[in-house]
Amino acid sequence: ETGVTQTPRHLVMGMTNKKSLKCEQHLGHNAMYWYKQSAKKPLELMFVYNFKEQTENNSVPSRFSPECPNSSHLFLHLHTLQPEDSALYLCASSQRERSSYNEQFFGPGTRLTVL
Amino acid sequence: QQQVKQSPQSLIVQKGGISIINCAYENTAFDYFPWYQQFPGKGPALLIAIRPDVSEKKEGRFTISFNKSAKQFSLHIMDSQPGDSATYFCAASISGSSYKLIFGSGTRLLVRP
Repeated sequence: ETGVTQTPRHLVMGMTNKKSLKCEQHLGHNAMYWYKQSAKKPLELMFVYNFKEQTENNSVPSRFSPECPNSSHLFLHLHTLQPEDSALYLCASSQRERSSYNEQFFGPGTRLTVL
Repeated sequence: QQQVKQSPQSLIVQKGGISIINCAYENTAFDYFPWYQQFPGKGPALLIAIRPDVSEKKEGRFTISFNKSAKQFSLHIMDSQPGDSATYFCAASISGSSYKLIFGSGTRLLVRP
């Protein structure tokens, strides 16, 4: 295992539901990321948190709301999603230092299906 | 200019053969080029990475070849095995101020026994 865990592993929700995805990293890293992986598309970076502060939001719709209460935990709150939001949502973490290279460690992902 | 173009989309190789996946980029500021391997039901895992100050890096059966002038890099898997069957992603990033990893679209490799 990579040291990054995600729950749940599978989630089916209706368009009017509210649910949350959870990510936890056990690597002592100071940066965490949410990615969306759809079929036949590159991994899409959604959000970046550095030392619990959001440093990047890649024009993600407001129906996705991230939360980072501490450097080990990251949540993605979901509400009023659309069927096209069905995808694998991946969490990653890395140790961000000024001169380092960005080796990111990924969790196994949450397979989300929106009905 | 932030894109990384990866080819082929899928690849079938016989056991023992060489698998070659190619990537190209435009942004000359990229200075870190990792390859990730993803098995079904798992997240991507770092396989091997290279910096532009070297033209080749080898780790076991996996080799990255880097051509700075052509802005291209490739992954070679020697003596391909059925256990290598996975999706491979190239990526690029800029160290220092920016930590975004720009991923290619992925190559699905199938190694036949």
